[in-house]
Amino acid sequence: SQQGEEDPQALSIQEGENATMNCSYKTSINNLQWYRQNSGRGLVHLILIRSNEREKHSGRLRVTLDTSKKSSSLLITASRAADTASYFCATSSSGTYKYIFGTGTRLKVLA
Amino acid sequence: ETGVTQSPTHLIKTRGQQVTLRCSSQSGHNTVSWYQQALGQGPQFIFQYYREEENGRGNFPPRFSGLQFPNYSSELNVNALELDDSALYLCASSSDLAASSYNEQFFGPGTRLTVL
Repeated sequence: SQQGEEDPQALSIQEGENATMNCSYKTSINNLQWYRQNSGRGLVHLILIRSNEREKHSGRLRVTLDTSKKSSSLLITASRAADTASYFCATSSSGTYKYIFGTGTRLKVLA
Repeated sequence: ETGVTQSPTHLIKTRGQQVTLRCSSQSGHNTVSWYQQALGQGPQFIFQYYREEENGRGNFPPRFSGLQFPNYSSELNVNALELDDSALYLCASSSDLAASSYNEQFFGPGTRLTVL
């Protein structure tokens, strides 16, 4: 079953604009990770945020986590055509050994 | 440090056949997890291996089985293939079992399985 639900399912923006995608989950977590996937290929790890963290930055990426709302957001600033991909959130919960992925957001950045 | 590798890249099988997919974990990693990703969906956890033992399993039937070898490489075997088994199969490694739920998993490029 899918734990996370990404929103929106699809997003189309112009190069240079910011892209925001959201992830909601159901149970308490150890950490939440965001991944990028290009054209049905392998997953590339973007950023990990732990349950006791509220915000993390990595280059043009900014992730926030609100454990009270069981939600996270991924912001990509100054988007580029190369950012075109599907983005997934994945959560890990205490006492488990697996990551549960959301359904993904398909981002298209138009040049 | 070498990354996670998977073979083959693509595979076409017919219904009822058996298939073996292979994964070499990242150097120094002893925990491997397998995921199935159907088209347009997020990856679904199949099972995890830690030090050659299955450590946990998702909602997949017994015809999905696996192995982990002393060098921590891993195989995913699927018997009696069904059309719905067509998917991208991903393996991911992490440095150890505890870390697998606290730290990142590194994914391989996947094997695209088509069942006709």
